Amino acid sequence: NAGVTQTPKFRILKIGQSMTLQCAQDMNHNYMYWYRQDPGMGLKLIYYSVGAGITDKGEVPNGYNVSRSTTEDFPLRLELAAPSQTSVYFCASSSEGLAPYEQYFGPGTRLTVT
Amino acid sequence: AQSVSQHNHHVILSEAASLELGCNYSYGGTVNLFWYVQYPGQHLQLLLKFFSGDPLVKGIKGFEAEFIKSKFSFNLRKPSVQWSDTAEYFCAVISNSGYALNFGKGTSLLVTP
Repeated sequence: NAGVTQTPKFRILKIGQSMTLQCAQDMNHNYMYWYRQDPGMGLKLIYYSVGAGITDKGEVPNGYNVSRSTTEDFPLRLELAAPSQTSVYFCASSSEGLAPYEQYFGPGTRLTVT
Repeated sequence: AQSVSQHNHHVILSEAASLELGCNYSYGGTVNLFWYVQYPGQHLQLLLKFFSGDPLVKGIKGFEAEFIKSKFSFNLRKPSVQWSDTAEYFCAVISNSGYALNFGKGTSLLVTP
């Protein structure tokens, strides 16, 4: 199993550009998440999904959109990039059970908006 | 409001020193607790977790943590650190009814030879 994969690893965007961060998992997990990590701030949840076709906002959703058309994929869309979106983005997934406890993380995408 | 606090933001230790990183949480109800580690340039990896049972949890690489319910704490310990333990450590909490982890701000550990 590859686990959770993310592309690209690095990206530089100009203000106002758009892009999609890709995330895929091959563990048949129903739950998927997007976090952003800023220095000294820990990880903040952007969006999450409990299954194909179902998504919901996390703590910091503004400026982002997601979709979940398949169990495997959970892309994150930035429509109008802003410098405040410079961050490292992590995708994660977890299995369905009594609760979605243990999360497995991807390697991250480092995004710079200038 | 639900929150997770890590008291030490930066810790510097010499090799073979003992480590204890503090984590306190503010949650109502049953919680599940985690410590994740992020080595330089890498993604988060699970060190250990507590769901129920023995409050003293052993994880990978000689780490352990103790859940003290009365103190709302889940401190991470290691008796003797190594240079390779240099990393950032995150405490995280999820409630039984929650979907996503709530992370602390992290503790950066530097182990000097």
